[in-house]
Amino acid sequence: EAGVTQSPTHLIKTRGQQATLRCSPISGHTSVYWYQQALGLGLQFLLWYDEGEERNRGNFPPRFSGRQFPNYSSELNVNALELEDSALYLCASSLGQISNQPQHFGDGTRLSIL
Amino acid sequence: QKEVEQNSGPLSVPEGAIASLNCTYSDRGSQSFFWYRQYSGKSPELIMSIYSNGDKEDGRFTAQLNKASQYVSLLIRDSQPSDSATYLCAVIVAGTASKLTFGTGTRLQVTL
Repeated sequence: EAGVTQSPTHLIKTRGQQATLRCSPISGHTSVYWYQQALGLGLQFLLWYDEGEERNRGNFPPRFSGRQFPNYSSELNVNALELEDSALYLCASSLGQISNQPQHFGDGTRLSIL
Repeated sequence: QKEVEQNSGPLSVPEGAIASLNCTYSDRGSQSFFWYRQYSGKSPELIMSIYSNGDKEDGRFTAQLNKASQYVSLLIRDSQPSDSATYLCAVIVAGTASKLTFGTGTRLQVTL
């Protein structure tokens, strides 16, 4: 069974540009989560999508947005990139809206802002 | 007070010993608790989940939960050099609807 897949592996952008990160969940999982892990910092919750809807959002500015498609895959969009956005962006998936289901992570997209 | 606290380490144990990793959390309503292992430059890998008080064993790993003390731990028996990694404690805090709140992780070094 394929795990959570993310693309691209690495992404290099300059300040002010826009970045799109993609995630495909484990087959059968309907919930997708996005986390940011900046160097030396812990994982910070960004967004949670389930059944195509945004269910929860972390303390990030509106330029961080996303969506979930009918096949449950998801995109994270970051507009007006800033140097501080350089981080590992991790996608996780789990079974539905049952809150205690374990989340399984993809390998991440490393976003570098020059 | 941080919602989930871990000692950053490094915790150094000799090969074959028991490694004990600890985590405390602040919200008494927390319901679900997870341990993840993260190798440097890699993504977190789920090791254990625990939901009720007591011990849960899986191979060389044992998770322990004490909700009264707001404490969750991970024991690794017969530690191997391949266990050297950062161990992340994660909690689903009541009312946060599936949002995982992570500690900053404890770095474990297993020495030969």
